Amino acid sequence: GEDVEQSLFLSVREGDSSVINCTYTDSSSTYLYWYKQEPGAGLQLLTYIFSNMDMKQDQRLTVLLNKKDKHLSLRIADTQTGDSAIYFCAESNGEYGNKLVFGAGTILRVKS
Amino acid sequence: EAGVAQSPRYKIIEKRQSVAFWCNPISGHATLYWYQQILGQGPKLLIQFQNNGVVDDSQLPKDRFSAERLKGVDSTLKIQPAKLEDSAVYLCASSLGRDGYTFGSGTRLTVV
Repeated sequence: GEDVEQSLFLSVREGDSSVINCTYTDSSSTYLYWYKQEPGAGLQLLTYIFSNMDMKQDQRLTVLLNKKDKHLSLRIADTQTGDSAIYFCAESNGEYGNKLVFGAGTILRVKS
Repeated sequence: EAGVAQSPRYKIIEKRQSVAFWCNPISGHATLYWYQQILGQGPKLLIQFQNNGVVDDSQLPKDRFSAERLKGVDSTLKIQPAKLEDSAVYLCASSLGRDGYTFGSGTRLTVV
C-alpha cells in the first residue's frame, strides 16, 4: 500500500539552510507535494513537483526528486524564524482529484 | 478569493454524543475532501466528493461517520455516536486541479 515517511524533527540556526527529507513507496506516484502547517492553522501548499521532474525551484525553496529511490527533499535557503512549523510531504497517484497520502510531518525549529 | 470555510473551530463533546461539522469550499471547486488529522500524525482522507457524488469513502468508518454534499457545494460531516479515538482535527479541502488542494483551518474535536 501507499506509505510516506519523514524524519520527525529538524533544528537549524537562523540563516542556515534546512533540508527536510521524505521517502514514499507508491511507484505510481505522479505528484509530490510539500505542505506547511503552523500551530492552530490549516495546511498551506508550499510547492509541488511532477514525477517526471528532478528539481523545482521557487524563491527560497528547492525540491529535489529521486524517482529511482523514491526520495523527495525540500531545501529552504536562508531559514527564518517564521519558517518554524510542521512540514508535510504528500503524494498523489496522479489522476485529477486523487487523494493525498501524507507523511507524519517534520517539525522544523529555527533558532535565532 | 475566499478560502475554504469551516465551522465550528472547536467542539468538545462527551463520548456517545453526536456532532456535525460544516464546510463551504472555494467557489467553483468541484472536488471536496474531508481529512482526519490525529495529533502527531499526517492527515488521512475520510471521504472525497466530486460535485455531489462520492468518489472515495473507503477510509470512512461508516458505522458512525456520515457525510453529504448538498447541491455540489457545502458539505457536512457527522459523527454519531462519538468515541474517544475520534478526537482529532477535521480538515476540509477543495480542489480545482492538479496544483494541490486548499485546506480550511479545520475543526478541532475533543471527545471526553
